[in-house]
Amino acid sequence: DAMVIQNPRYQVTQFGKPVTLSCSQTLNHNVMYWYQQKSSQAPKLLFHYYDKDFNNEADTPDNFQSRRPNTSFCFLDIRSPGLGDAAMYLCATSRGGGSSYNEQFFGPGTRLTVL
Amino acid sequence: QQQVKQSPQSLIVQKGGISIINCAYENTAFDYFPWYQQFPGKGPALLIAIRPDVSEKKEGRFTISFNKSAKQFSLHIMDSQPGDSATYFCAASTGNQFYFGTGTSLTVIP
Repeated sequence: DAMVIQNPRYQVTQFGKPVTLSCSQTLNHNVMYWYQQKSSQAPKLLFHYYDKDFNNEADTPDNFQSRRPNTSFCFLDIRSPGLGDAAMYLCATSRGGGSSYNEQFFGPGTRLTVL
Repeated sequence: QQQVKQSPQSLIVQKGGISIINCAYENTAFDYFPWYQQFPGKGPALLIAIRPDVSEKKEGRFTISFNKSAKQFSLHIMDSQPGDSATYFCAASTGNQFYFGTGTSLTVIP
């Protein structure tokens, strides 16, 4: 089945130790998104790629970076995780283009714990 | 600034009752309004969505009512079931920008 896959599902890192989260998709969608979701809060968009074009949200900290080496994969790098970065990180995809193609498909998320 | 305002924060409904969740937005450029259902430990899943050129969309027990002039939309869950207990997020988008409401935790009591 076509889907959005996130690895790992659970990640534990130490304060200040870089961590990379992975997302892959078999939907062949143009757009890939990264969201941060803290407990009992709405998902907060960090950035998205439309093909190779990177779009950063204005309030996304510099500590968060992303790479999209090809259509299928997208990575979230947290350069120096702080305790406040502990959250669920959600990857989503959409076909992109005009409004008719805006349905987003979410992965199961990666739960990040910072010790 | 919260682009999409959602209420209530939590809702408790008896089995068989109607659950109603409301959202409001300001940006008239939004052209797609989805609702997502999220269970604990899972990613959000699209439940139902509407475009601003229609006032109502129904899929099974789920209905979106859309009021373009008031810039409001709502989710109605008819015959609510315990399995509907989850967090519901409204969202609004334009282009590739998505903005989520703050979420409503729904509990359906058997």
